[in-house]
Amino acid sequence: QLQLQESGSGLVTPSQTLSLTCGVSGASISSGPYSWTWIRQPPGKGLEWIGNIYHDGSTYYNSSLKGRVTISVDTPKNRFSLKLSSVTAADTAVYYCARIMVRGWFDPWGQGTLVTVSS
Amino acid sequence: EIVMTQSPATLSVSPGERATLSCRASQSVSGNLAWYQQKPGQGPRLLIYGASTRAAGIPARFSGSGSGTEFTLTISSLQSEDFAVYYCQQYNDWPPGTFGGGTKVEI
Repeated sequence: QLQLQESGSGLVTPSQTLSLTCGVSGASISSGPYSWTWIRQPPGKGLEWIGNIYHDGSTYYNSSLKGRVTISVDTPKNRFSLKLSSVTAADTAVYYCARIMVRGWFDPWGQGTLVTVSS
Repeated sequence: EIVMTQSPATLSVSPGERATLSCRASQSVSGNLAWYQQKPGQGPRLLIYGASTRAAGIPARFSGSGSGTEFTLTISSLQSEDFAVYYCQQYNDWPPGTFGGGTKVEI
């Protein structure tokens, strides 16, 4: 059974870079045709797609994040990562990783990890 | 960007009753719509994709319908474990993860 687990720093200083990793178990991250994605949810708010990466390494990002996002894949360790630079309090959220199915729905999701941006 | 609007924001229902949740797209998304259930402290769980296909392991009391711009998620007889927040998501157009604002189903 495919499972995803987020990990990383739960507290980030403003203007610094947020870094998270999503460990994948139960399937190879390098096997197509899926892609892998990050989504976030600010406290008490809805879901926002951040970006995704395909098994060939190609990426797509939410333009609202204005070039601050980088998603990468570590095939030997079967995981993918998120880096979000120049963070502000507005980036405080629960961050989820998930697999995107071929047609575009997300399944499964990780349990999420809270990242707080504060000095 | 396609905007997804869910209504109502909160739905108060008694166990055993029927719940009907709506999702509207700002432009047609054909049948490219998914529904998710989210419980406190958990990641969302896929319920429905393709507007009406139940995901693996999802009980038959969950059903989805609609196409184009109007979609509905129906829970035929609410169980205690169904009280949660429900989100719709279109995947017809980029970004691929345009979500609605959610409907909270409460007792």
